[in-house]
Amino acid sequence: QVLLQESGPGLVKPSETLSLTCIVSGASIPPYYWIWIRQPPGKGLEWIGFINYSGFTNYNPSLSSRVTMSVETSKTHFSLRLTSVTAADTAVYYCARGILVQPSTVPGWYFDVWGRGTLVTVSS
Amino acid sequence: SYELTQAPSVSVSPGQTARITCSGEALSRQFAHWYAQRPGQAPVLVIYQDTERASEIPERFSGSTSGATVTLTISGVQAEDEADYYCQSSDRSGTYVLFGGGTKLTVL
Repeated sequence: QVLLQESGPGLVKPSETLSLTCIVSGASIPPYYWIWIRQPPGKGLEWIGFINYSGFTNYNPSLSSRVTMSVETSKTHFSLRLTSVTAADTAVYYCARGILVQPSTVPGWYFDVWGRGTLVTVSS
Repeated sequence: SYELTQAPSVSVSPGQTARITCSGEALSRQFAHWYAQRPGQAPVLVIYQDTERASEIPERFSGSTSGATVTLTISGVQAEDEADYYCQSSDRSGTYVLFGGGTKLTVL
C-alpha cells in the first residue's frame, strides 16, 4: 500500500519560508511524478507544482517565483519550499503521486495517491 | 486556455442520477480526471482518463466526454456520495495542471 505523509511546521510567520516534506512509503520515487497541491480554507484545489524522479520540475506560473521543489530519490521523500509567504498562503497542503496519462500525444497527469494534508497557517 | 468550469452545486435525491459537468478548451485535447473530497478529508481519485474508474470506486460512478465537456455521472446516488467533486486536466500544451472550481453534490 502506497502512503504519503506531509510533515512540517503548522505555523509560519509572514515573509518567512514555508518548508514541507512528503514522506513516501510503499513505493519508490522513480518512475513517478510527485505533486504539491494546496487548498485555502473553504476554497478549491490549487496546483503548486510537480517534480519527477530525475529532478525535472514544473511550477504554477502564479507561484513560480517563490517555489522550489526537490526530490531525494534514495530517501524516498520530496520537498517544497515557498518563500516570502503571506496570509494568502494559508492553506491545507497536500502531496500526491502523479501518473502520466497513456496513450497521449501531449503530457498530462492524474493523481492516484494523496497524503492526508497538513494545515499551514501564516500569521505573526 | 487555463480554465476548467464547473457548476458550484448539484442536488439530487437518493437513488436518482447525478451529472456533474466540466468544460474547458483544454478538454478537447487532454484527458480529464475526477476527484471526490468529503469534508475534512483529502481528495480521492474517482475517474481517470475520461472514463476509467479508479481502484475500489463503485460501478455507479462513470465518466464520459463530448468535445470540450466531460461529465461525471453517479447512478443511484447514495448518501455517502455527498462530497465536493473536482475535475482536473492539463493545458493544451501539456505544461500545466488545471483544476476546476469544484461542484458540491448534495444528497437531499
